[in-house]
Amino acid sequence: DIVMTQTPLSSPVTVGQPASISCRSSQSLVHSDGNTYLSWLHQRPGQPPRLLIYKISNRFSGVPDRFSGSGAGTDFTLKISRVEAEDAGTYYCIQVTHFPWTFGQGTRVEIE
Amino acid sequence: EVQVLESGGALVQPGGSLRLSCAASGFTFKSHGMNWVRQAPGKGLEWVSTINDNGKNTHYADSVKGRFTISRDNSKNTLYLQMNSLRAEDTAIYYCATWIQVHFDDWGQGTLVTVSS
Repeated sequence: DIVMTQTPLSSPVTVGQPASISCRSSQSLVHSDGNTYLSWLHQRPGQPPRLLIYKISNRFSGVPDRFSGSGAGTDFTLKISRVEAEDAGTYYCIQVTHFPWTFGQGTRVEIE
Repeated sequence: EVQVLESGGALVQPGGSLRLSCAASGFTFKSHGMNWVRQAPGKGLEWVSTINDNGKNTHYADSVKGRFTISRDNSKNTLYLQMNSLRAEDTAIYYCATWIQVHFDDWGQGTLVTVSS
């Protein structure tokens, strides 16, 4: 199974400052169709997750442009250009290239 | 507006069975894959199972393979998860998530399954 490793596991950030989360996979996430199926989700406490980014860098509908994704192969990054209070919560990467699909452990973003 | 509503969560004894349902609306259910994802109390997300649009192609996490069965009734716009031989470690909120444009694009609020004697 592919292991997804996120760093850091916790990140205190100040409103208006940038934030960055890394996600590394134990194997390449390039699918046989040429796409890389790496997504990012955000979960606020007590709420279901919501999709932010799919296929490395594509923002899902309604996601603010302060969120961006990048990377290739086995190394991926989610960046928030200027954190807002509503960005608090836990961020997860997930690979849906190879079964079984696997999530990262999650990164808790705490607003200082 | 896409809506998915899970139901069926309950307290069940170890070794018992439970069937979860997910009622979907706001999109052409029969044309899209669906997923189950779970989250143990205070823990991260775990993918459980996926089914394609016609129900003929399914996949499972190793932790549930042989015990859980995903299915769907396209005439009722409903997704199911039959859970057998339940264990304490299956205790979690179970979320239903759609695969309309991309994987996991819409989520329900979840239903709580507690496995305990």
